[in-house]
Order: sequence, then C-alpha cells, then structure tokens
Amino acid sequence: QSVMTQPPSASGTPGQRVTISCSGGSSNIGINYVHWYQHFPGKAPKLLIYRSKLRPSGVPDRFSGSKSGTSASLGISGLRSEDEAVYYCAAWDDSLRGPVLGGGTNLTVL
Amino acid sequence: QVHLVESGGGVVQPGGSLRLSCEASGFTFRSYGMYWAREAPGKGLQWVAFIRYDGSNAYHVESVKGRFFISRDNVKNTLYLQMNSLRVEDTGTYYCAKDLGAHYDILTGNDYWGQGTRVTVSS
Repeated sequence: QSVMTQPPSASGTPGQRVTISCSGGSSNIGINYVHWYQHFPGKAPKLLIYRSKLRPSGVPDRFSGSKSGTSASLGISGLRSEDEAVYYCAAWDDSLRGPVLGGGTNLTVL
Repeated sequence: QVHLVESGGGVVQPGGSLRLSCEASGFTFRSYGMYWAREAPGKGLQWVAFIRYDGSNAYHVESVKGRFFISRDNVKNTLYLQMNSLRVEDTGTYYCAKDLGAHYDILTGNDYWGQGTRVTVSS
C-alpha cells in the first residue's frame, strides 16, 4: 500500500481538462515538495512537475501542479490522446527518510 | 548531454544475486543524489533505493532492506545496486534516475532516467 494515495484511474475527452489528486501526510506532502511523473509502461518515466508547480523545460504549459496542506494535484488541460499514460506523484518523506510514490493514476483519453 | 545507462540485469533463480550498474555521463555525478526504481509486471513504479550525492547516506525501501544495497563510485561515475536473496517478486525493470537539484539530501525531482535493465527471478 502506497504512502500517498492517488485515484487508480481518470478519464477525459480530447480538449477537456482533467485533475489528478494525490493525498499524503504531514511527513511528506505536508512539509516537502511534490513532483509528478508521466510514465508509459515499459519506458523511462518523465518528470512533468517539480517543486509542486514548476515545469522542466520542454514540458507544455498544459500541465500544471499545485499543493495545499497534505494534498497535491496535477492538472492537464487541452487533453490529447498522447496524454494517455500513468501519472505518479512523489515526495520526500521525513519520517521514512526516503522518497515515496503514489500508487499511480491511469489516465484514459476517451 | 546527460546519459544514464543501466546494465547487469538478467535471469536468476530465487535466492540468487545480481549487481546492477548505472553508468552516468554528461553531468557532475558526484554532486547529485541518485535513485533506483523498479516497474514490476502489471504493477506500478516503486522506489527501491536512494543514495546521497557523496554516498554518506542511503535509503532502501522496506521490502528490500537487508537484501539490496545501493552504492556509488564518484570516480567511475557509476551507481550500483547489489541485489541478494532475490525473490520472484523482485522481477521487473530497474531504472536509475538522477536527482534534479545538486547537493540535496531530499528528492527534488528526477529529471533524467535510464532506459532500464530487466531482472527476471524465476526457477
């Protein structure tokens, strides 16, 4: 069972906006940054958001991140078929003294 | 250009050992924390281990503690994962990943990942 909780699935139609949530605790999201990854199974994950809301160069501004308290969310606007992937939130956990991952959200573009 | 190239995967029987390597280039390896993660068949990503940039501190996920050991050689620019007492559930693709921020003790985001090396534990 993951330390941080994500919905196992999400869906949307092309052009729509979807939001993926990530619920953690006081030892991880509550006091540390959240990072988001896009993962196509069998491929290397890709960093989408770091420090809760920053985008690495090359990541479209359709992707956005936010954090409040012990929860965070990833927003994807202007949904495209190529966005169909698994999305993970991650953070450092001060109690475990190590990194933690959410269970992943499988995004389907209908 | 940052490159991370994993090697060392293969097929091994339960109880066996493997040593994974991750050769790094294109950045100052000794300045960045490094991670191992794995993707098990039909399951999600999981952190396996983390090592501080200078090798002075490491973390291993509970399920591998006492069996796996992360290490690094900052002269050879190489990250390692020694895997002992392998179990069927350790099967998967293992990725090494670089931390985004230099000289951090905590996760700042993994901006580069290797392509992975496959480990199969089967009798």
